[in-house]
Amino acid sequence: AQSVTQPDIHITVSEGASLELRCNYSYGATPYLFWYVQSPGQGLQLLLKYFSGDTLVQGIKGFEAEFKRSQSSFNLRKPSVHWSDAAEYFCAVGGGGSEKLVFGKGTKLTVNP
Amino acid sequence: EPEVTQTPSHQVTQMGQEVILRCVPISNHLYFYWYRQILGQKVEFLVSFYNNEISEKSEIFDDQFSVERPDGSNFTLKIRSTKLEDSAMYFCASRAQGLGSQPQHFGDGTRLSIL
Repeated sequence: AQSVTQPDIHITVSEGASLELRCNYSYGATPYLFWYVQSPGQGLQLLLKYFSGDTLVQGIKGFEAEFKRSQSSFNLRKPSVHWSDAAEYFCAVGGGGSEKLVFGKGTKLTVNP
Repeated sequence: EPEVTQTPSHQVTQMGQEVILRCVPISNHLYFYWYRQILGQKVEFLVSFYNNEISEKSEIFDDQFSVERPDGSNFTLKIRSTKLEDSAMYFCASRAQGLGSQPQHFGDGTRLSIL
């Protein structure tokens, strides 16, 4: 069965520091991979997506993610975090002829001034 | 930028009552979805809808649930007889049909509280 693991429930970083949020997936076919962000009281906003091709994908707000098939990972990175990046981040996997997305439990990011 | 719009933002309903959650997908999108997120848990897929019929559904989506696209713009989720465990945030999503694959775009959600 498809699954997504986000090992870190909560991460705290200082503003200006670099960030890496981990995501591991289990999927039988070639996965489609996504990162979504949810600010308090808001919906899920798409940060970036991977369908095929270049394994390093760029997204909005200065985020990037790298698909590593050998490690079944799709980690999200940002070189310098801003206070407005504080939110919950969800990794999701889809594809293989299915319409559904399978989400991880999310990582809550706190940014200290 | 086009958005998925959901109404109401918060719905409070007595257990056993019917509830309808409404969504206006992005206008040129052809695939529609409902997900839910129980407090503190993962976002879970409920159902996908294409060409006026359900294309895929999860085991959560039992006979108490139904979806409908009553006109060219709305997409609704009906829960016939609500239970306490239906309390959750319900997200609508839509995606375009086009070359390659397209991502799902989500609305802000409806928080459903069952009393």
